[in-house]
Amino acid sequence: ETGVTQSPTHLIKTRGQQVTLRCSSQSGHNTVSWYQQALGQGPQFIFQYYREEENGRGNFPPRFSGLQFPNYSSELNVNALELDDSALYLCASSLAGQEETQYFGPGTRLLVL
Amino acid sequence: QKEVEQNSGPLSVPEGAIASLNCTYSDRGSQSFFWYRQYSGKSPELIMFIYSNGDKEDGRFTAQLNKASQYVSLLIRDSQPSDSATYLCASVWGNTPLVFGKGTRLSVIA
Repeated sequence: ETGVTQSPTHLIKTRGQQVTLRCSSQSGHNTVSWYQQALGQGPQFIFQYYREEENGRGNFPPRFSGLQFPNYSSELNVNALELDDSALYLCASSLAGQEETQYFGPGTRLLVL
Repeated sequence: QKEVEQNSGPLSVPEGAIASLNCTYSDRGSQSFFWYRQYSGKSPELIMFIYSNGDKEDGRFTAQLNKASQYVSLLIRDSQPSDSATYLCASVWGNTPLVFGKGTRLSVIA
């Protein structure tokens, strides 16, 4: 049990729609990262937030955006969904001062039809 | 381009044997290395991390790091069927994000 929760667990959307995924981590976990994991692949870094500001971004287009809130919750928003966005979306948080050690939530499985 | 390479497997070992999982990385600046276990349909679970050259043991798990060869391994002693999962290797440098390999699927045969 990592103390990181995500919602919803599963989601089905159609191409062109927008989706918001949510993550909540423990008090003191002030860094949150989002990853996309396609079937048979390792997780790919989307972006990271530290103290409510974006602190790094992977090779994902601007239609992937995020927010982090003061209560250690965060969101991943994806606009104009494409079929290739179907994946497991993982949120990972880390303790202040131990940012490299990340603990994953259970993930949200998104299917785009 | 930072890359982490793993043999996708599957690696099959009999129950009670030692499972050896290997990983190579391209970025010599990588400082920390992590092993995650991922059961089918679940999220990755942190098993171990290692920063220094040599071995680090935690119960049945031993992580080995050789920075000169850019090589990380995970040994699982007395393998159990419950160890059957995909094992992900990841590297990081400072506050950069984790770079993952594709994972090695381990199957422990009872």
